[in-house]
Amino acid sequence: EPEVTQTPSHQVTQMGQEVILHCVPISNHLYFYWYRQILGQKVEFLVSFYNNEISEKSEIFDDQFSVERPDGSNFTLKIRSTKLEDSAMYFCATSGDGNQPQHFGDGTRLSIL
Amino acid sequence: QQQVKQSPQSLIVQKGGISIINCAYENTAFDYFPWYQQFPGKGPALLIAIRPDVSEKKEGRFTISFNKSAKQFSLHIMDSQPGDSATYFCAARRVTGKLIFGQGTTLQVKP
Repeated sequence: EPEVTQTPSHQVTQMGQEVILHCVPISNHLYFYWYRQILGQKVEFLVSFYNNEISEKSEIFDDQFSVERPDGSNFTLKIRSTKLEDSAMYFCATSGDGNQPQHFGDGTRLSIL
Repeated sequence: QQQVKQSPQSLIVQKGGISIINCAYENTAFDYFPWYQQFPGKGPALLIAIRPDVSEKKEGRFTISFNKSAKQFSLHIMDSQPGDSATYFCAARRVTGKLIFGQGTTLQVKP
């Protein structure tokens, strides 16, 4: 079964540093999402992306966050200047179209020191 | 306000028993209600989903019951097995695609 692949599985970064999380969507999927899950809490929506632009973003997704598809396959989440509260699991999800189910990757655990 | 409330927070069931997890939502602008299963160290995996024009959907041992007027939906796991031990999340999808998740239920099925 096709999978959403996320790298790295674990990223440790000093506070204030930039971090880029990578996602390879399922082939032919056109809708992309980032979610995060702080330890012990629910999964929270960050941003949705379609046709090379952001469709919707949450209040968490401030100016420190950005997304892009740099090469037509990878889908990345960048945090420019990380804060301690950015420590969480970050999940990428993709779907074929807006009506199809979203399939999640196994996440990147981001630890900010 | 867009909220999805899930209960119970944790659940212990004997093998062979029925596990029931409940969710309620507070906004009618949702078009799809999936349940996700998450094992430690893994991402949420789609288990079963329902659209609001259907009152029940069954796939194997898993059944969703949906009550549109009450804005509630529930997951029933029949003949629960130790391998079902995981965290379960209900969610509601906005027409924009955004998923709003419940708090999660940690299920433990005892042998």
